[in-house]
Amino acid sequence: DQQVKQNSPSLSVQEGRISILNCDYTNSMFDYFLWYKKYPAEGPTFLISISSIKDKNEDGRFTVFLNKSAKHLSLHIVPSQPGDSAVYFCAASPLQGAQKLVFGQGTRLTINP
Amino acid sequence: DGGITQSPKYLFRKEGQNVTLSCEQNLNHDAMYWYRQDPGQGLRLIYYSQIVNDFQKGDIAEGYSVSREKKESFPLTVTSAQKNPTAFYLCASSRIGTFVENTGELFFGEGSRLTVL
Repeated sequence: DQQVKQNSPSLSVQEGRISILNCDYTNSMFDYFLWYKKYPAEGPTFLISISSIKDKNEDGRFTVFLNKSAKHLSLHIVPSQPGDSAVYFCAASPLQGAQKLVFGQGTRLTINP
Repeated sequence: DGGITQSPKYLFRKEGQNVTLSCEQNLNHDAMYWYRQDPGQGLRLIYYSQIVNDFQKGDIAEGYSVSREKKESFPLTVTSAQKNPTAFYLCASSRIGTFVENTGELFFGEGSRLTVL
């Protein structure tokens, strides 16, 4: 039972354009969401997070949007750069600071020059 | 530099052999985790520990064992009972506590790729 789903295994975007990565979840107890970025043969690194009390969180080129009623979140990267090419995982937890994160399957983003 | 160190980075073993993956952190984090990554399946939690000498099963604990004798160390043993052990294994650590300053972020090591021949 996949509680956190990233339905697009891959996404290709032209450099300079906007990249939008999507994530859906089924567990209504999830209250805190994180995005991680992963390069091949490396561990994931934290990118940005959002609590359910907000519907948007922005950090530089990265913005995460949360639609709690739809159980959907998205990560926007503007403008996309070649270094953004990586696998992106969304993760969810029932509480900020809670330890058990549930991860989605990941989306491989490729930024084309 | 503070961080998490996993070793070895690559490991080849014959079927039926137990294998132990090392994970050490110097971030002074209370919680440590082991995840497994398979293509198309994201990261799945194997075991986690919030305090020394205590650990809990994650979603796919069968065929694995762990120990937490020191705060800094959380080794994972892949036993011969694990039916499909070939995978990329990730160790992580985090602070504990649902306080505002704790983002809940997991800090990951660089991973260990285990191939069973």
